[in-house]
Amino acid sequence: DQQVKQNSPSLSVQEGRISILNCDYTNSMFDYFLWYKKYPAEGPTFLISISSIKDKNEDGRFTVFLNKSAKHLSLHIVPSQPGDSAVYFCAASRNYGGSQGNLIFGKGTKLSVKP
Amino acid sequence: GAGVSQTPSNKVTEKGKYVELRCDPISGHTALYWYRQSLGQGPEFLIYFQGTGAADDSGLPNDRFFAVRPEGSVSTLKIQRTERGDSAVYLCASSRTGDNYGYTFGSGTRLTVV
Repeated sequence: DQQVKQNSPSLSVQEGRISILNCDYTNSMFDYFLWYKKYPAEGPTFLISISSIKDKNEDGRFTVFLNKSAKHLSLHIVPSQPGDSAVYFCAASRNYGGSQGNLIFGKGTKLSVKP
Repeated sequence: GAGVSQTPSNKVTEKGKYVELRCDPISGHTALYWYRQSLGQGPEFLIYFQGTGAADDSGLPNDRFFAVRPEGSVSTLKIQRTERGDSAVYLCASSRTGDNYGYTFGSGTRLTVV
């Protein structure tokens, strides 16, 4: 049973518009969430994270929102750029910071940003 | 080195053979992780080292899989009697203990069992 779900396998967005990637989780013990970005033939690259004590974290064009009651988080990219085209993975951890244990990943959403 | 290095980048082996996959973590990173990513899936946890010891090996699928990190730096993932279902990209990651910003992944080793 998947504990971290990304129900949209793909998303296509026009350059300059907002990209919204969604993630749902089932385990209420998760207390730290991360987004990774992956280009073909490369390993995932850390993008942004949020702890369960917050509901929003912003870093430049990237904002992550956490709704604990709904067990839902989303990644907003605005404005979207063609270089953002990649597969985005949502991940969760039961240990704050993730480095003390393993991460549970979703299946990923492939984002395509059209010029 | 500047990043996590994994060798080889690609490995093709015959069913039943033994393979070793190597990971060189970022210098000074005490935590090291192995993940496996099958086609269309997200990375799946295999094993986590803190220093030389395996702190959590609950993700290893069966006893054909084994990993070592004898000096607390380089790690080797060993797979015995490979099966076609073992075909995947094997990812290694490392982090400083207490790092709150997610760990750094290598580019992975693509293993194909034919």
